Amino acid sequence: EVQLVESGGDLIQPGGSLRLSCAASGFTVSTNYMSWVRQAPGKGLEWVSLIYTDGNTFYADSVKGRFTISRDNSNNILYLHMNSLRAGDTAVYYCARVGRFGGTAEAFDIWGQGTMVTVSS
Amino acid sequence: DIQMTQSPSSLSASVGDRVTITCRASQSISRYLNWYQQKPGKAPKLLIYAASTFQSGVPSRFSGSGSGTDFTLTISSLQPEDFATYYCQQSYSTPLTFGGGTKVEIK
Repeated sequence: EVQLVESGGDLIQPGGSLRLSCAASGFTVSTNYMSWVRQAPGKGLEWVSLIYTDGNTFYADSVKGRFTISRDNSNNILYLHMNSLRAGDTAVYYCARVGRFGGTAEAFDIWGQGTMVTVSS
Repeated sequence: DIQMTQSPSSLSASVGDRVTITCRASQSISRYLNWYQQKPGKAPKLLIYAASTFQSGVPSRFSGSGSGTDFTLTISSLQPEDFATYYCQQSYSTPLTFGGGTKVEIK
């Protein structure tokens, strides 16, 4: 079964660091584009970061310089390393596979269940 | 950055109604437009990609259209399981961006 399972969410103080994990099954993380998307309580979806198969990475301006996306190819896990956390980073964080359709169209076709990050003192 | 604007932000409808949601991009995105459905407490689910192509398993009452800057998602006959929030998303360029969402509620 194709599946993503996130973990690592927690209550963390402002300025702290956290690492989120996303374990994939049924497909290979390193041969797919992968992404993180977040959703603040009661709000809409916000794209956070993207990693290509060649290792190129992209970030939303709101997290650039503070968050780092990476992957462990041996264990088929995607990570999001978060530093200098702020109250505005409080959200459910989803990992998602970027499905590539017909070689050009791309969409988030597989999503995890999400993990909650709360930044508060 | 490409801004995605959805309208309406919410609507009330009855089972069997035809529902149309609009998404407008701040610049042309060709057909690089996706639609998702999200139910409370759940992850989003991909409905339509490339503006009008169904994801596998999506009922045929859902349809998408448009290109350039203007797109629509139509539900031809609203079913009880369709009450949810719908988001559009552009995949034309990074930063990838979502519309603000349209909450479809029961009238």
